Amino acid sequence: GAGVSQSPSNKVTEKGKDVELRCDPISGHTALYWYRQSLGQGLEFLIYFQGNSAPDKSGLPSDRFSAERTGGSVSTLTIQRTQQEDSAVYLCASSQPGANVLTFGAGSRLTVL
Amino acid sequence: DQQVKQNSPSLSVQEGRISILNCDYTNSMFDYFLWYKKYPAEGPTFLISISSIKDKNEDGRFTVFLNKSAKHLSLHIVPSQPGDSAVYFCAASGLATGNQFYFGTGTSLTVIP
Repeated sequence: GAGVSQSPSNKVTEKGKDVELRCDPISGHTALYWYRQSLGQGLEFLIYFQGNSAPDKSGLPSDRFSAERTGGSVSTLTIQRTQQEDSAVYLCASSQPGANVLTFGAGSRLTVL
Repeated sequence: DQQVKQNSPSLSVQEGRISILNCDYTNSMFDYFLWYKKYPAEGPTFLISISSIKDKNEDGRFTVFLNKSAKHLSLHIVPSQPGDSAVYFCAASGLATGNQFYFGTGTSLTVIP
């Protein structure tokens, strides 16, 4: 596609439920990043995929968070047993090989009641 | 540990005047710096970047200055326009930091007509 596509754009869920957030990066972009922005905070790094290499998961805040990237393209971020502090905008970004610029999607706003 | 810091959460400037947004970093291994602009309900969009081998990069109304000894960079917008009102994020990366992008907490710029 022309840009990074994320879905859903908004998700409201109850505490304790699992959620899945999807990211479809720009075709040909080998690097894919997940960030989140909590209210009043900056962009917090979560996870980074680069080609077929093992992902950098160092930013995942707990073992309730996981992400996968199938076929080097679409990525899914899964949050299990959601908590209220998980409420945030989850942003996906991708970049071309060797590029130093990230292209972001519009984000998925998650609200945990 | 916040490696990229934007100490001013907000800034108001009159239309036509200069806007100066500041950013400090702590990791001397960063060698590439970027500014992103974010409108509400949209993902951040790339604005301008600078490599550590330079101390200035200009693109139209936008200029980024880098002071490596002070670990400080700034974004100048002149003349400021109402459409520049947005949140501006500073980011840093480097080969030695695993190509992760570290973002500041953002500065909300309001340009008053």
